[in-house]
Amino acid sequence: SYVLTQPPSVSVAPGQTARVTCGGNNIGSKSVHWYQQRPGQAPVLVVYDDSDRPSGIPERFSGSNSGNTATLTISRVEAGDEADYYCQVWDSSSDHYVFGTGTKVTVL
Amino acid sequence: QVQVVESGGGVVQPGRSLRLSCAASGFTFGNYAMHWVRQAPGKGLEWVAVISYDGSNKFYGDSVKGRFTISRDNSKNTLYVQMNSLRVEDTAVYYCARDWSDHVLDYWGQGTLVTVSS
Repeated sequence: SYVLTQPPSVSVAPGQTARVTCGGNNIGSKSVHWYQQRPGQAPVLVVYDDSDRPSGIPERFSGSNSGNTATLTISRVEAGDEADYYCQVWDSSSDHYVFGTGTKVTVL
Repeated sequence: QVQVVESGGGVVQPGRSLRLSCAASGFTFGNYAMHWVRQAPGKGLEWVAVISYDGSNKFYGDSVKGRFTISRDNSKNTLYVQMNSLRVEDTAVYYCARDWSDHVLDYWGQGTLVTVSS
C-alpha cells in the first residue's frame, strides 16, 4: 500500500517560514492535498491539487510537489498556525485514500 | 452553508455493533461522494471508507474491510456507516467528510467518538 511520510514536528519563530514535507514514491505524479487540524477541532483543507488554496485560506499557505516530495510552506508564521498538518493523496492502484503521518507545527 | 453533523457514537463492547450517521445540509448531497475518516486518541488521520454520489461504488480501508459497511440515503441527505465486530483498536473519533473533486475532502464534521471497551 502507498505510504506518505512526514516529519513528526517542525518548530518555527513567529514571522518566519515553516516548511512541512510529505514523502512518497513518485508523489510528484499525484495530486496532493493538505489539511490543518488545530487541537480539539476537525481538519480544515488549506491546500489542494498541490498548490491551490480554497477560498478563505490566507496566501501565506502555499504548496509544491515534485519527484518524491511534496511541501507545504507557511510564510510569515503566526501563533494561530500552530496545529497538526496532514498531507493526503488518492492511490489509484488501490482506490484508497492515504493520509500522511502528520506534522505538529510549533510556533516558538 | 455546507454542514455535516455526525451522530451515533458511544461506548460499546468488543464484538458488538454500532451505526453512525452523518446529516448533510447546505449542498446537493446526492451530487457528491462522501467519506468516513477516523482518528484514534492522540494519533493521526486514518481513511475508513468512501461511497460514490449514487451509492453504486464503495471502497474501504484495509483495517475495516469486511466489518464496516458504508451506505447513504440521498432522500434523507444522510450518510451511514455500520460497524460490526468492533475491536478495541476501532476506538476513535469518526469524521464524515465531503469529497469535492479530484479526491479532495473539503468539508468535515466535528466528529463523533466511538469507544470500544469491555
